[in-house]
Amino acid sequence: GAGVSQSPSNKVTEKGKDVELRCDPISGHTALYWYRQSLGQGLEFLIYFQGNSAPDKSGLPSDRFSAERTGGSVSTLTIQRTQQEDSAVYLCASSLVGAGLNSPLHFGNGTRLTVT
Amino acid sequence: DQQVKQNSPSLSVQEGRISILNCDYTNSMFDYFLWYKKYPAEGPTFLISISSIKDKNEDGRFTVFLNKSAKHLSLHIVPSQPGDSAVYFCAASARTSGTYKYIFGTGTRLKVLA
Repeated sequence: GAGVSQSPSNKVTEKGKDVELRCDPISGHTALYWYRQSLGQGLEFLIYFQGNSAPDKSGLPSDRFSAERTGGSVSTLTIQRTQQEDSAVYLCASSLVGAGLNSPLHFGNGTRLTVT
Repeated sequence: DQQVKQNSPSLSVQEGRISILNCDYTNSMFDYFLWYKKYPAEGPTFLISISSIKDKNEDGRFTVFLNKSAKHLSLHIVPSQPGDSAVYFCAASARTSGTYKYIFGTGTRLKVLA
């Protein structure tokens, strides 16, 4: 029933600190995505998990960014040593891969990260 | 390298008229396209999709057109309503390549004037 849930909804952190952002996808969805939207920008792809396959990390902007997906469900995006340019809305989405055309992405409401 | 482009950052349309939002792509491997609508402080919500085997898909007031030779798709909203005012994103993926990774455009802000 529930949609994609992200926590926290807002996070303010000091430059240099580490942060963890959490995503609970829709139950049964095999694919999970992280995107970010910086102020005035579009949706920037970060990382994509599909089932048990190795994640596609091609969008991660630096090695300070990492993500895990435990048990094929919950995902955590970790940003180490945060910088001011990391300030953005981080969006998580999930989809039911393999369902043909009826498998669009379902997004959460995002975590607004502010690095001071 | 921006593979999906929305060249109009904003568009204003009178209520009741047609809104046409455009999207261009460069990757010929893309075979599945979607449109999303986003309100402030909310995640994007799915509107309509189209497979590359079609050139048109219609759902109520929303119609998506795909021109593969021009690598261009458009979203038509008719009649436009004030509640349609939002940012619209197009997205594409290359499913036959075995990936479900979606690349998004930069968005077009639609304002429907009452």
